[in-house]
Amino acid sequence: GQNIDQPTEMTATEGAIVQINCTYQTSGFNGLFWYQQHAGEAPTFLSYNVLDGLEEKGRFSSFLSRSKGYSYLLLKELQMKDSASYLCAAMDSNYQLIWGAGTKLIIKP
Amino acid sequence: GAVVSQHPSRVICKSGTSVKIECRSLDFQATTMFWYRQFPKQSLMLMATSNEGSKATYEQGVEKDKFLINHASLTLSTLTVTSAHPEDSSFYICSARGLGVGPQETQYFGPGTRLLVL
Repeated sequence: GQNIDQPTEMTATEGAIVQINCTYQTSGFNGLFWYQQHAGEAPTFLSYNVLDGLEEKGRFSSFLSRSKGYSYLLLKELQMKDSASYLCAAMDSNYQLIWGAGTKLIIKP
Repeated sequence: GAVVSQHPSRVICKSGTSVKIECRSLDFQATTMFWYRQFPKQSLMLMATSNEGSKATYEQGVEKDKFLINHASLTLSTLTVTSAHPEDSSFYICSARGLGVGPQETQYFGPGTRLLVL
């Protein structure tokens, strides 16, 4: 079956760095997405990886290892506004997104 | 770029009535639109996928006669919740995917519609 695993909740300190891991199992693979969702709002697109390696975009970076079925989202210089849920989603061979349940990130001062 | 709007943002209706939610891609042509539902503190649940000009593909367990989807143009899709009941109360979110917009196959989400059925 198809499955996405990511931690349910993480806590980090303002100004620090946090890494949110995601492992996936899909029928075929067409890329890995990360979205941010603040409470009561819709998800917003953060990153897309289809090749192995690290993609950096400002304070956020995303990494992919296709051979390991593994990705992580790295958030640097954490700000209070980064408190949100982070959704990992893998695209299968039919270009359908398989969604993780999301990781709730709590930032403490 | 890649802006998706949804209307209304919030709706309260009586049990048994129908509610229509509109999803528009404002600055790109959406070849595919998706409708999701999200209950509090739960993950996104895909309800259906629609391609412009063709019938929507519904996920298992989603009643096509209850949740009517129309994707009449490359910028507009509508979801109609027919004969709504309190258990249909949820956060409904659409997303759109278009050619040449952002990384391949990226879905861009509308702001969501919060439905409360009394």
